[in-house]
Amino acid sequence: NAGVTQTPKFQVLKTGQSMTLQCAQDMNHEYMSWYRQDPGMGLRLIHYSVGAGITDQGEVPNGYNVSRSTTEDFPLRLLSAAPSQTSVYFCASSYIGGQPQHFGDGTRLSIL
Amino acid sequence: AQKITQTQPGMFVQEKEAVTLDCTYDTSDPSYGLFWYKQPSSGEMIFLIYQGSYDQQNATEGRYSLNFQKARKSANLVISASQLGDSAMYFCAMTTGTASKLTFGTGTRLQVTL
Repeated sequence: NAGVTQTPKFQVLKTGQSMTLQCAQDMNHEYMSWYRQDPGMGLRLIHYSVGAGITDQGEVPNGYNVSRSTTEDFPLRLLSAAPSQTSVYFCASSYIGGQPQHFGDGTRLSIL
Repeated sequence: AQKITQTQPGMFVQEKEAVTLDCTYDTSDPSYGLFWYKQPSSGEMIFLIYQGSYDQQNATEGRYSLNFQKARKSANLVISASQLGDSAMYFCAMTTGTASKLTFGTGTRLQVTL
């Protein structure tokens, strides 16, 4: 039972590069979300999805894109990486709204 | 908009003692959920306990209990019989309505000592 799987675990990018953080869950959860965690702050919501084909913005969406073509996958795309996007990124999922979310192990991203 | 406040940046507790981590929340939505997550130094987020706004009784999960005081808008986490493995960052979070968008507090770092 894999739960929520995030890849890669670590990544270093140069300013201006683009990349996709992968997130997959095998629990048939409808809800999936992306959060970022910065030092001294709690996690902040970037984008979320309530089901395949449906996405919406969270608190800090600028510079990120998402899509949800299947129930299982919810990739996060950085369009043109900036040093301010250096952070730890978490993907999470839950079966229905308002229920506890299961988190992946995180992706530590550094942008030089 | 909802808000979570955790006023204790750091806490120390001796092994086998109980500790309370404070959390206050603010929302105008009558339907909400309150959560506590643990983040050890390895970085993963571990779900500990959940309390719904309409739940009459305080939630308990093993050594964890949530002291829910609705009128005071507080949702404190109580850890009984602390263990060295409880040393970690603890986050209080909430969702409102049927949404699954978590709003987090800034966390409390708990250190359990011998």
